[in-house]
Parts: sequence; structure tokens; C-alpha cells
Amino acid sequence: GAGVSQSPSNKVTEKGKDVELRCDPISGHTALYWYRQSLGQGLEFLIYFQGNSAPDKSGLPSDRFSAERTGGSVSTLTIQRTQQEDSAVYLCASSFHRGQGGYTFGSGTRLTVV
Amino acid sequence: GESVGLHLPTLSVQEGDNSIINCAYSNSASDYFIWYKQESGKGPQFIIDIRSNMDKRQGQRVTVLLNKTVKHLSLQIAATQPGDSAVYFCAENEGAQKLVFGQGTRLTINP
Repeated sequence: GAGVSQSPSNKVTEKGKDVELRCDPISGHTALYWYRQSLGQGLEFLIYFQGNSAPDKSGLPSDRFSAERTGGSVSTLTIQRTQQEDSAVYLCASSFHRGQGGYTFGSGTRLTVV
Repeated sequence: GESVGLHLPTLSVQEGDNSIINCAYSNSASDYFIWYKQESGKGPQFIIDIRSNMDKRQGQRVTVLLNKTVKHLSLQIAATQPGDSAVYFCAENEGAQKLVFGQGTRLTINP
């Protein structure tokens, strides 16, 4: 597609349940990033995929968080045993190459844990 | 750790005036910087970027200035319009991978 697509756009889940968030990057973009944005806050880096290299997982807040990227395209962010503090907007971005026009962000998935 | 921050959390300007949004960064090794605009309910939208080998770059109605001596970045918006109302983030490229974002400045346009 023309942009980065994320699904679902909104997700309400019960505390303790697992959730999966999906990101479809721009076709041809080799780099894919996940960020988290709490209400009124900046963007917190979670994880980064670049081609076939090992992902940079340094931003994942706990072992309940994991992400994968299949076939160098679609990525799924999984949060296990969700907690209320996981409530936030999860943003995905992709880029062709660092330094060329920045990263293109999707509209995000708003996750609410009740 | 290294961080990027903004001087002012909110900025109000009159329609038609110029806006200046500031940002301080702390990682002297950063070599790439980006300004993003985020409207309510949307993801951040790329505005303009600049490499550390430049001190100024202009786009359509926007100019980014980089002062590496004091590690300061600014975004200038000329002839501010109602559609410019948003939260503006600066971001710093730390190493070759992740962007580090500041907390953001909310720009409000007064009619």
C-alpha cells in the first residue's frame, strides 16, 4: 500500500490476556520500527528490524513483549499477560534507508487494558 | 542515557505569525535529526530532516536550524496557519538504528 498500515486501530482487552498488534510496512522498506506512546507523552522505542539482521530489542520493557517480522515484511508485536500500564498507542514505522526522508509512521493501535 | 528534550511544552502564536519550536539534544555523536508533526489521533508525520554536516535546511514554509556547538535544534514555521496546530517532536538518530524522541511541543494557533 501507499502507507504504513496498522491493525487493529483500537483494542480493548482484559488484564492478563494476550494481544497481537499488526504492522504492514511500505512495500520495499527494509527497516521497521515499533514505538509506544503513552497519553500526552513522547515516543518510546521498543524494537527495530533491519533486513535480515538480528533485531534491536533493547527497548522492549519486559519479557512479556515480543515481536517478529515474517518474510521481511509484516510485523507482529505481541504482549502477553497484559497489564494496565501497557495501555498506550503502539506505533509502527518503516523506512527504506536511514537518513532518507525519515521514517513513515502508521496511525497506530490504541490499546486499552481494563 | 542520552536524551532529546524540548524547551517549551506549549506554544501559542497568532495566525500569520512565524513560529519557532526549540529542541535540545545531549548526544554529541548524533548525526541525523528529524522534525515530526503529530495531529490528534494520527501517527507522526515527517516534516523535515537535517544531517549534522549542515546547519540549515529549508522546506516549504519550514526551516530547520542546527547548532552543534550548543546541541540545539529549532523548527521555524513561516506564516503559521490553523492547519499547523499539532504537537511537534524533534527526534535524534542515535547510532545507526533507533530514533530518540523528545516529549513534544503543542503548537496552538490563535485566530
